[in-house]
Amino acid sequence: GAGVSQSPSNKVTEKGKDVELRCDPISGHTALYWYRQSLGQGLEFLIYFQGNSAPDKSGLPSDRFSAERTGGSVSTLTIQRTQQEDSAVYLCASSFRTPNYGYTFGSGTRLTVV
Amino acid sequence: DAKTTQPNSMESNEEEPVHLPCNHSTISGTDYIHWYRQLPSQGPEYVIHGLTSNVNNRMASLAIAEDRKSSTLILHRATLRDAAVYYCILGNSGNTPLVFGKGTRLSVIA
Repeated sequence: GAGVSQSPSNKVTEKGKDVELRCDPISGHTALYWYRQSLGQGLEFLIYFQGNSAPDKSGLPSDRFSAERTGGSVSTLTIQRTQQEDSAVYLCASSFRTPNYGYTFGSGTRLTVV
Repeated sequence: DAKTTQPNSMESNEEEPVHLPCNHSTISGTDYIHWYRQLPSQGPEYVIHGLTSNVNNRMASLAIAEDRKSSTLILHRATLRDAAVYYCILGNSGNTPLVFGKGTRLSVIA
């Protein structure tokens, strides 16, 4: 596609429920990145994919967080048993191979856990 | 991780040039200097990046010090739409994801 598409744009969920966030990167971009941004804070790195592999999972805050990427394209970030501190904007970016080709970010998914 | 230091905030008048500084004294020889900006309620967007030489594109110019320990992002004529948080980030030549700091919040006054 022309840009990075994320869905849903907004998600309100009850504490303890599972949520899935989707990212559809730019066609041909092999690298895909997930970040999150809490209100008024900077971006926190979560996980990175090169193709379907995730060589860097170091940023996932707990084992409740997981992500997968299939077909070298769409990625899903899953948060199990959501907690209020998971409330944030979850941002996805893609790049052609490496960060030095420049990231293109999606508009994000605003997650609110009530 | 190689780190950068930026002022928390800056202010500029509309239609005047803006020079946004960034210090990166621990930069390594293979680190690129990246600049992104984040407009209110949007995801960050790429502005410019460079290695050693100054770079120009339609959005901005990047001036890199000769010793590469600092750089300056130059917006030639600030507009109200340039009000954003500007992030200066070091990235190596490999696959390591970019680490975003707190950036500089630029306010533009009409």
